[in-house]
Amino acid sequence: QQQVKQSPQSLIVQKGGISIINCAYENTAFDYFPWYQQFPGKGPALLIAIRPDVSEKKEGRFTISFNKSAKQFSLHIMDSQPGDSATYFCAADGGTSYGKLTFGQGTILTVHP
Amino acid sequence: DAGITQSPRHKVTETGTPVTLRCHQTENHRYMYWYRQDPGHGLRLIHYSYGVKDTDKGEVSDGYSVSRSKTEDFLLTLESATSSQTSVYFCATSGIRSGNTIYFGEGSWLTVV
Repeated sequence: QQQVKQSPQSLIVQKGGISIINCAYENTAFDYFPWYQQFPGKGPALLIAIRPDVSEKKEGRFTISFNKSAKQFSLHIMDSQPGDSATYFCAADGGTSYGKLTFGQGTILTVHP
Repeated sequence: DAGITQSPRHKVTETGTPVTLRCHQTENHRYMYWYRQDPGHGLRLIHYSYGVKDTDKGEVSDGYSVSRSKTEDFLLTLESATSSQTSVYFCATSGIRSGNTIYFGEGSWLTVV
């Protein structure tokens, strides 16, 4: 059962452009939505996270937009850099699944110089 | 960095043999997890532990068992490895001080031939 759906599977952006990755969830009990960044050969690392009491959270060039009614959230990377090239995972947690993240399928981001 | 060490980092084994992956953490985190990562599936929870000798099944637990005899160690055992268990395995931890944040190790690459 895939409770978090992520798109696109892969994304190519030019340096300086905006990268947008989308996720949709089904379980309305989820109340914590993190994004993880993973470089080749490494484990995922927390990038930014949001709770449903706010519609947007920004940290540097990274912004999460959250739409509770649509059960969707997205990651925006402004001024994308080649160093941002990585795999990005959205995830969700909460309710009876507290402490156990449910991940999206992942998006491979490539930022061309 | 939650001080997570996984061993072995790479292993090739034959079908039908038992395999044990070890996770060691130095942060005294209460919760520990084993995830597997496969293309197109993101990360999926295999088993988790909420304390010494307290473990429970995750989404894809068939063919796997775990044990946690000490706070710092969480072992994942494949009783009789199959080719479908070829994957990258990630250990993760979280604790009261980390809030919802789950920290991941660097992964163990397992190939079953």
